Amino acid sequence: DAEITQSPRHKITETGRQVTLACHQTWNHNNMFWYRQDLGHGLRLIHYSYGVQDTNKGEVSDGYSVSRSNTEDLPLTLESAASSQTSVYFCASSVQRTTDTQYFGPGTRLTVL
Amino acid sequence: AQSVTQPDIHITVSEGASLELRCNYSYGATPYLFWYVQSPGQGLQLLLKYFSGDTLVQGIKGFEAEFKRSQSSFNLRKPSVHWSDAAEYFCAVGDDDYKLSFGAGTTVTVRA
Repeated sequence: DAEITQSPRHKITETGRQVTLACHQTWNHNNMFWYRQDLGHGLRLIHYSYGVQDTNKGEVSDGYSVSRSNTEDLPLTLESAASSQTSVYFCASSVQRTTDTQYFGPGTRLTVL
Repeated sequence: AQSVTQPDIHITVSEGASLELRCNYSYGATPYLFWYVQSPGQGLQLLLKYFSGDTLVQGIKGFEAEFKRSQSSFNLRKPSVHWSDAAEYFCAVGDDDYKLSFGAGTTVTVRA
């Protein structure tokens, strides 16, 4: 079955380190999204992509970057991890149209010490 | 920019009782509205969505939602809750650029 996976599921890192979270989907979806989930804030959009070589900033993009070299993957990089980036990160994908459902991965819990 | 408000942070309901979760949105154009559910430690699963047509939308797991343009609301309902409905519920509004804006979520506790 087609799916969306994230790795690692849990990570602990130190302040200042570079961290990359992986997201892989096998649906051949054009659109991919990264969110962070924090208590009291719901999910907030970090970055998104509408296709290969396309990336866009969301509402909380500072300190994060993404690249899209193929359809299946959208890795999220924290250039220099900060304690404020301790969160649960979700990747999602959708086909194309506005009304299309976004399908979510299982999440990555990141702790920055 | 669009936004979503879920006024209730936490709701406790008895098993077998009815449930209603409130959602108010702000969006200038025709809204695309979604309800997602998140079980503990899991990702989000779509319950239902509205983008046009009948304002009463049926979803999975016995849930339904009603779109009321005059009230800018998209409330989620279930006639009789089961213990397995204990979860966090998120309302979201989508824009024409395929992006979603989520509410802060409502946690539902089901008591026996």
